[in-house]
Order: sequence, then C-alpha cells, then structure tokens
Amino acid sequence: EEQLVESGGGLVKPGGSLRLSCAASGFTFSDAWMAWVRQAPGKGLEWVGHIKSMGSGGTTDYAAPVKGRFTVSRDDSKSTVYLQMNNLKTEDTAVYYCSHTGRYDFWTWGQGTLVTVSS
Amino acid sequence: QTVVTQEPSLSVSPGGTVTLTCGLSSGPVSTSYSPAWYQQTPGQAPRTLIYSTNIRSSGIPDRFSGSILGNKGALTITGAQADDESDYYCALYMGSTNWVFGGGTKLTVL
Repeated sequence: EEQLVESGGGLVKPGGSLRLSCAASGFTFSDAWMAWVRQAPGKGLEWVGHIKSMGSGGTTDYAAPVKGRFTVSRDDSKSTVYLQMNNLKTEDTAVYYCSHTGRYDFWTWGQGTLVTVSS
Repeated sequence: QTVVTQEPSLSVSPGGTVTLTCGLSSGPVSTSYSPAWYQQTPGQAPRTLIYSTNIRSSGIPDRFSGSILGNKGALTITGAQADDESDYYCALYMGSTNWVFGGGTKLTVL
C-alpha cells in the first residue's frame, strides 16, 4: 500500500525559511512524479510545485505565488521529496500535502503538515 | 488568470443521485484537461476518487463516476450515502505540470 508521510511543519516568522519532507513507501519512488499541494485554513486546495522522476529529467515546475521562493527536490536513495520554502509570507500559512502523481493527476496523498507564518 | 468553477454547495437525499460540475473560465473542459475529482472530509487529507476524466481510483465504489457533460467535467454520485457528505474538489491539468483546482463543492446528504 502506498504511504506518504510529511514532516517539518511548524511556526515561522515572515521572511523565514522552512524545509518540509515527505517520506514515501509502497511504490517505486525513483519512477514517481511527486507534487506539493497546500490548503490555507478554511480554503480550497492549491497546487504548489512538482518534480518529475529523474528518468523524466527531474525537472520542476511551480505555481506563480511561490515561484522563486520555493524549491522542490528529491532524494531517491531515501525515497523522500522535499519542499524548501524561503522568504515565507503570512499568506503561505497552510496545511501542505505531498502527492504521488501521474502525468496528469494526483493519485495518493499524505496526511499533511501545518505551516504557520506569523510574527 | 485561469479559474476553475464548481458549485459552492449542493444537497442530495440519501439514495439519490447528484452531479457536481467543473467548469473553466477560458472555455470548454475536454478530456485533454484530464479532469479529476478529490473528496475531503474536515480535518482529513484529500482522497482521489476519479482521474483522467473517468477512471476510478483503487477502492472507490462504482457509484462514483466521472464524465464530460456539455462543456464541463462532471462527477456523478448514484445512490448517495450519509458518508458521502464531504467537500469535493476538481482539478484540471493545464499543461507543463501545472494544475488548477476548483474552489470545491460542499455536498450535504439530507
């Protein structure tokens, strides 16, 4: 059974940085495309960023609100995907989910980790 | 800016049928947008119901079905049950590993 477990959330001040991790199991991680999706309190889902498998080039893409501040990376030896978040803003406050995706869709989801940006 | 539209709220009677839709501000939704549907109950992670327009995710009962209706993506729940009361989100693939989610539909079963 596929499982994704996020960690690394917490309280950070505006302008600060945080790195989230997502440990995967139950599937061949090195072949997997992975994404981060967030959900602000009481709001809907928002795609944040994505990383292809290294076999597909390992390239990344980002939503406009986070481009230049967030970086998605992966360590296939640890079956883990990361989200490095820099220059955090109050509007980045959200639960962050990682997802194993297909080429066009989100397949499985982690339980999420809460990031709160506040002074 | 691309906007994906969903009904803010819908209700259905137990045992009834309801259709949720997923529209696109810039034009019709087609299979090339690979509409997908996700169910979320309060405090829980999303669960994938349907992907690639009409493929049910593993373990999803066949009373959930996806389609294109007119110019929108659609999720139909046939024989609604009390535990179908949830928030439902659609997502459209916009190309270049870029997705947009709809604002969600709050479904009430009563």
